[in-house]
Amino acid sequence: EPEVTQTPSHQVTQMGQEVILRCVPISNHLYFYWYRQILGQKVEFLVSFYNNEISEKSEIFDDQFSVERPDGSNFTLKIRSTKLEDSAMYFCASTRGVVDYGYTFGSGTRLTVV
Amino acid sequence: GNSVTQMEGPVTLSEEAFLTINCTYTATGYPSLFWYVQYPGEGLQLLLKATKADDKGSNKGFEATYRKETTSFHLEKGSVQVSDSAVYFCALSDILTGGGNKLTFGTGTQLKVEL
Repeated sequence: EPEVTQTPSHQVTQMGQEVILRCVPISNHLYFYWYRQILGQKVEFLVSFYNNEISEKSEIFDDQFSVERPDGSNFTLKIRSTKLEDSAMYFCASTRGVVDYGYTFGSGTRLTVV
Repeated sequence: GNSVTQMEGPVTLSEEAFLTINCTYTATGYPSLFWYVQYPGEGLQLLLKATKADDKGSNKGFEATYRKETTSFHLEKGSVQVSDSAVYFCALSDILTGGGNKLTFGTGTQLKVEL
């Protein structure tokens, strides 16, 4: 069964450093997403990406965050200057189309900011 | 805005017990409803879904019925197994005007099944 692949599975970074979280969505999917889950809290929507641009972002997704699809397969989330409160599990997901409600999530990257 | 409320966990059951995890939602329009499951160390997996009122989603012995009149989507299983131990998330879906759809999740309910 096709998978969404995320790397790394765990990243530790110092406050103020830039991090890039990487995802390889399912190849025939057109819509890509990032969600995050702070420990013990809800899974929260960050951003959706379609046709090489952001289609919607949440209020969490401020100027410190950016997303990119640098080639035909990768989808990245960059945090420019990490803060302690960015520590969370970050999930990438993709869907084939608007009416395809079957989100496929990756297994997540646990980001720890120290 | 849309929101999802789930019963708090952890829920601890003996094997073969009946499971109910309550979920209610607040939404404008007619969202689709989902249950996702997260096993230890893994990502979120779609367990079941329902896209309109009175639909029943089912998978692996789990089921949930979309109840518009009570804005609920409670998860049930007749006989749980130790392997069902996981965190269960209720969610609803909005179609985004810019494309795709966005999931709004509940807080998750941890289920522990003991022998």
